[in-house]
Amino acid sequence: AQKVTQAQTEISVVEKEDVTLDCVYETRDTTYYLFWYKQPPSGELVFLIRRNSFDEQNEISGRYSWNFQKSTSSFNFTITASQVVDSAVYFCALSEAYSGAGSYQLTFGKGTKLSVIP
Amino acid sequence: EAGVVQSPRYKIIEKKQPVAFWCNPISGHNTLYWYRQNLGQGPELLIRYENEEAVDDSQLPKDRFSAERLKGVDSTLKIQPAELGDSAVYLCASSPGTGFYEQYFGPGTRLTVT
Repeated sequence: AQKVTQAQTEISVVEKEDVTLDCVYETRDTTYYLFWYKQPPSGELVFLIRRNSFDEQNEISGRYSWNFQKSTSSFNFTITASQVVDSAVYFCALSEAYSGAGSYQLTFGKGTKLSVIP
Repeated sequence: EAGVVQSPRYKIIEKKQPVAFWCNPISGHNTLYWYRQNLGQGPELLIRYENEEAVDDSQLPKDRFSAERLKGVDSTLKIQPAELGDSAVYLCASSPGTGFYEQYFGPGTRLTVT
């Protein structure tokens, strides 16, 4: 079963519009972390945010904000007043702690390609 | 502070040939990861090292893939022989330790097998 689902494959917005990227995850753990990464055309994944399962407080960083809701197993990412430089593929990822293989590894969604049109 | 360094950035080989990728993690990062990213997909973990020990290689296709991290710093990932299906981007990442740390990624090596 897919653990991280990013249902939006591609999104196009006009510059200065707000855009929300959806992320739904699945886990049986009570302790886990969620991440967002940005992958610009250059290919290097850039860390954006890490959120632990016990902290549902929303986070804001400049034009970026994140909404974590355990009740719906979602960790959505909003970009306010989008800019052309925001064009990239954005990945949501889940990290779980359990014994054995796979512990703490990042399980990524398939990504959402965001295109911001000037 | 220098980021994760990978080389080469691009590699084109014919099937059945061997290929190797090199990674130098961020200084002081004990944990090193190799991921494979297929087109249109998120990265998938191949192997995780803690210092020089491979602590999670459950997803590494051991019949043709091998990896090493001598002295717990640089790492090399090898494929021998390569198959058409191995065409992908191979990403290296590092983190200060094992746990819920953020991982820092290198630019990747784009492998094309013809």
